[in-house]
Parts: sequence; structure tokens; C-alpha cells
Amino acid sequence: DSGVTQTPKHLITATGQRVTLRCSPRSGDLSVYWYQQSLDQGLQFLIQYYNGEERAKGNILERFSAQQFPDLHSELNLSSLELGDSALYFCASSGDPSGVRYEQFFGPGTRLTVL
Amino acid sequence: AQSVAQPEDQVNVAEGNPLTVKCTYSVSGNPYLFWYVQYPNRGLQFLLKYITGDNLVKGSYGFEAEFNKSQTSFHLKKPSALVSDSALYFCAVRDRRTPLVFGKGTRLSVIA
Repeated sequence: DSGVTQTPKHLITATGQRVTLRCSPRSGDLSVYWYQQSLDQGLQFLIQYYNGEERAKGNILERFSAQQFPDLHSELNLSSLELGDSALYFCASSGDPSGVRYEQFFGPGTRLTVL
Repeated sequence: AQSVAQPEDQVNVAEGNPLTVKCTYSVSGNPYLFWYVQYPNRGLQFLLKYITGDNLVKGSYGFEAEFNKSQTSFHLKKPSALVSDSALYFCAVRDRRTPLVFGKGTRLSVIA
């Protein structure tokens, strides 16, 4: 158990809908990362927050947004969902703002299925 | 732009034999290299990392990796494979300023 929790585990929704994925980092970790894992694109970095502020941005679509709250949990919002958004979404946390010296710890993921 | 190549989609090895999972990378600055393992329906688990120092890095579950700067490689190795090592292995790289970039993954199958 990495100490990172994600809810829900599974999510099935329809095209055009909006969903929210939730992540709680390991105790004491200030950095939260979001990744998307799909068969064709592999594991792709979406966005990083550190202590409530956006720190780095990757291949995140404009339809997607995220935030980190004062209690350090994070939410990833996916809107106007398309079939191609079906994937595993992982959250990871780290105690290091740069994510360099300390490894990232991954949650179990949320499997999103868009029908 | 930084990138990671894992040239083998699948590696098969007999239990008890040594295993190697290959990884080469490209990065602008000094590389920070990581190996993660993913078991079915689970998140990624950290195995080991190279930040600086000794080129041979030892990690969890008996795994090790050797950083080779001239060949830009960071191959994962284990002297004696176990059936329980069967999983999906990811190599990842970043430099000081860029996010972590993952390879496509290599599926390791250890046959009893």
C-alpha cells in the first residue's frame, strides 16, 4: 500500500458527461501528480500541484482541469467526455516539490470507461 | 524533448535465470532515472532510482540497475528471476526542470 488513495476505483459514464476523480496524497506529501494510462498512449503526465499551486503541466486537454485543496487532496475534473478519454487515471504524490530527489508514490488508479 | 525507449515489449525468462529489462533515454540536463513495476489492476510501485553517485543502483525485491552515461542506458537486472516478478516494468526519466516521462513498458514473464 503506497499510502495514496484514489476514488472511485471504477467509473462508467456516457459521452458528453463530466466526472471528478479524487486523490488523497501520502501523509506529509505536498506534491500531487496526475497521469493518464491508455493502451495507445502509454503513461502520460497530465499535471502537478504543489501545496495548492499548479507546478507543471503536461499533455492535459483543455476539457480537463485539476485543483489541490488546502487539506492537500486533489481532484481531476474531466468534462465533455469522449470515448477516447477511457483510460486509467493515476494520482501520485511526493515529498519533494521538484520530484527529483524523492520518488513518486502512486495510487491504485481510477478506471474510467466512457460509453 | 526527453524520451525513454524500452525496446522490448515482452521479455520471457525461466525462473532462476538472470533477467534484464532494457531502457535507453534522452534528456537535456542531468538525468534522473527511475524504474517502476505495475502488477495487474494495481498502481505503479517504485523499484529504484538513479540520481547521482554510484552507477550501480540497488532497489527493492533484489532488483538493480546500472546507469551508463555513454550509452544513455539504465537497464534493470536481477540475478535470479522469480515467477512473482512477472509484471509490467516501466523506466522513467526526467531532468531537474521537466516532468517524469515514462517508457511504454516491458512485460516480463517468468516461466516456472
